[in-house]
Amino acid sequence: KAGVTQTPRYLIKTRGQQVTLSCSPISGHRSVSWYQQTPGQGLQFLFEYFSETQRNKGNFPGRFSGRQFSNSRSEMNVSTLELGDSALYLCASSLAAGSDQPQHFGDGTRLSIL
Amino acid sequence: SQQGEEDPQALSIQEGENATMNCSYKTSINNLQWYRQNSGRGLVHLILIRSNEREKHSGRLRVTLDTSKKSSSLLITASRAADTASYFCATDGRGSARQLTFGSGTQLTVLP
Repeated sequence: KAGVTQTPRYLIKTRGQQVTLSCSPISGHRSVSWYQQTPGQGLQFLFEYFSETQRNKGNFPGRFSGRQFSNSRSEMNVSTLELGDSALYLCASSLAAGSDQPQHFGDGTRLSIL
Repeated sequence: SQQGEEDPQALSIQEGENATMNCSYKTSINNLQWYRQNSGRGLVHLILIRSNEREKHSGRLRVTLDTSKKSSSLLITASRAADTASYFCATDGRGSARQLTFGSGTQLTVLP
């Protein structure tokens, strides 16, 4: 079974631009969550989607948004990029929503802002 | 914000030795999970322990949970060089729809 796939793996953008990151969950998984990982703040929850609906959102500004499609694939978008948005963005999927579901992570998209 | 704090931040041991990492958290939880992250890769789920469990085993891994002290420990026995990675605890607090809060991680180095 293929794992969680994130594209692209690496991305370089400049301040003020916008970016879209993609995540394909494990086949059959309907819940997708996004996390931001930085050396200073560690791993921080961005949002979770289940059946095309956002179920939960972390403490990030409105520049960060996401969506989920009917095939459970998800995208996240960051607009008006800032230097501080440089990070590893991780996507995770699980069979169902719920606090007792182990999450399966992709290898992430490393975003660098110049 | 990070709920969990791992201790130590870094740990270096010889192959064959046991490695113990600790995690403390602040609020009541439904469960606690441990994950491993190799450099430049995503996280790999290791084990989940529920709030009504005190100890759980999986292969060379042993996890304990003390909800009265709001702490957990991960023991890796007979460590191998391939165990070199960062280890994170993650809590999913009661009442939250689904928001895993990760600790700051322990960087484990196993020397051959």
